[in-house]
Amino acid sequence: NAGVMQNPRHLVRRRGQEARLRCSPMKGHSHVYWYRQLPEEGLKFMVYLQKENIIDESGMPKERFSAEFPKEGPSILRIQQVVRGDSAAYFCASSRGTGLNTEAFFGQGTRLTVV
Amino acid sequence: AQSVAQPEDQVNVAEGNPLTVKCTYSVSGNPYLFWYVQYPNRGLQFLLKYITGDNLVKGSYGFEAEFNKSQTSFHLKKPSALVSDSALYFCAVNYGNMLTFGGGTRLMVKP
Repeated sequence: NAGVMQNPRHLVRRRGQEARLRCSPMKGHSHVYWYRQLPEEGLKFMVYLQKENIIDESGMPKERFSAEFPKEGPSILRIQQVVRGDSAAYFCASSRGTGLNTEAFFGQGTRLTVV
Repeated sequence: AQSVAQPEDQVNVAEGNPLTVKCTYSVSGNPYLFWYVQYPNRGLQFLLKYITGDNLVKGSYGFEAEFNKSQTSFHLKKPSALVSDSALYFCAVNYGNMLTFGGGTRLMVKP
């Protein structure tokens, strides 16, 4: 059973370009979470999605950021018109359910560098 | 709102000595607490969780954590540290739709 798969592992974009980060959850998991980690800092929640629905996007910046989790295929975190401050590691996690004792499994992250 | 705090940015310990990584929490209701470890350039790996029951929770790689309701703490411990334990450790609380993480504590185990 493969774990949470994120790609690409490393992504370099010039300022103003778009970044697309992909996350395939573990088999049987229908809940996906995206987190951002700035260098030497903790993880900040961005968005929580179930299949075809955004459940909680309270951590998403209001502009340029969007996320989706279509019925078929991976979850996508899209960042439009990237700026240097977007450089960070972006982690995806998935879980089977939403119970408070549900364990989340993390991918290895995508490290975005904006030059 | 729920939160967790990790008061130490870094903990240094000699190999073979016991280690403690501190975590305090603030939640309304019963807390569901987790510890994760992050090795360099890797994602987070689950170590252990507290849901209910015994206050001493045993997890992966010989780690354990002690839940203390009166002190609102959930400190991570290991009786004998290994150099390979050197990593970034995150405490988290599960509330609502998300895991809320502490800022992380870097553990350095020196030979």
